Amino acid sequence: QVQLQESGPGLVKPSETLSVTCTVSGGSITNYYWNWIRQSAGKGLEWIGRFHTSGTTTFNPSLKSRVTVSLDTSKNQFSLKLSSVTAADTAVYYCAKYGSGTYPYYYYGMDVWGQGTTVTVSS
Amino acid sequence: DIQLTQSPSSLSASVGDRVTITCRASQGISRYLAWYQQKPGKAPKLLIYATSTLQSGVPSRFSGSESGAEFTLTISSLQPEDFATYYCQQLNSSPITFGQGTRLEI
Repeated sequence: QVQLQESGPGLVKPSETLSVTCTVSGGSITNYYWNWIRQSAGKGLEWIGRFHTSGTTTFNPSLKSRVTVSLDTSKNQFSLKLSSVTAADTAVYYCAKYGSGTYPYYYYGMDVWGQGTTVTVSS
Repeated sequence: DIQLTQSPSSLSASVGDRVTITCRASQGISRYLAWYQQKPGKAPKLLIYATSTLQSGVPSRFSGSESGAEFTLTISSLQPEDFATYYCQQLNSSPITFGQGTRLEI
């Protein structure tokens, strides 16, 4: 059973870059679609983007210019970087996996989530 | 972006009640709609995907359906562990969006 664990800095200063890592255990990081989602009191659940280990990526247009994702298959980890952060980026950041089967990935919903990591943007 | 509007925003109910939560999409999303349950301090948990398919391990008292652009989550007989916040999510087109949530409380 795949499990996900996010890790992050906790506190980031305005204008700096936020970096969060998701570690995958119980399965391989390859051949799945992975997502980043965040949740704040003001905006509820917000999808940040998804990527596939083949290199395919799709980001939320509202964040696309500030988002970078990277992959470390040797550590079974993937990471999110969000640049030029403001207080509006304060949130709990989750990684999540799409379900899989015979249908396209978007058929299945997000069946595995990490526990989330809280990131606060403040000076 | 596709807007998902959930109703009601909050709901008071009792153990044993039948409860219905509605999610209306601003555009067509085929059947690519999922429902999640979230408890305080926890990540969302997938209950239903593709409108009406129950995720493995989810009790059968949860069900999903669709009528036009309106999607429904029904809990047939509320159990104490069901008191939580519920979200719908559309996966038909990017960006993926969520409803604003329905808080189910005693």
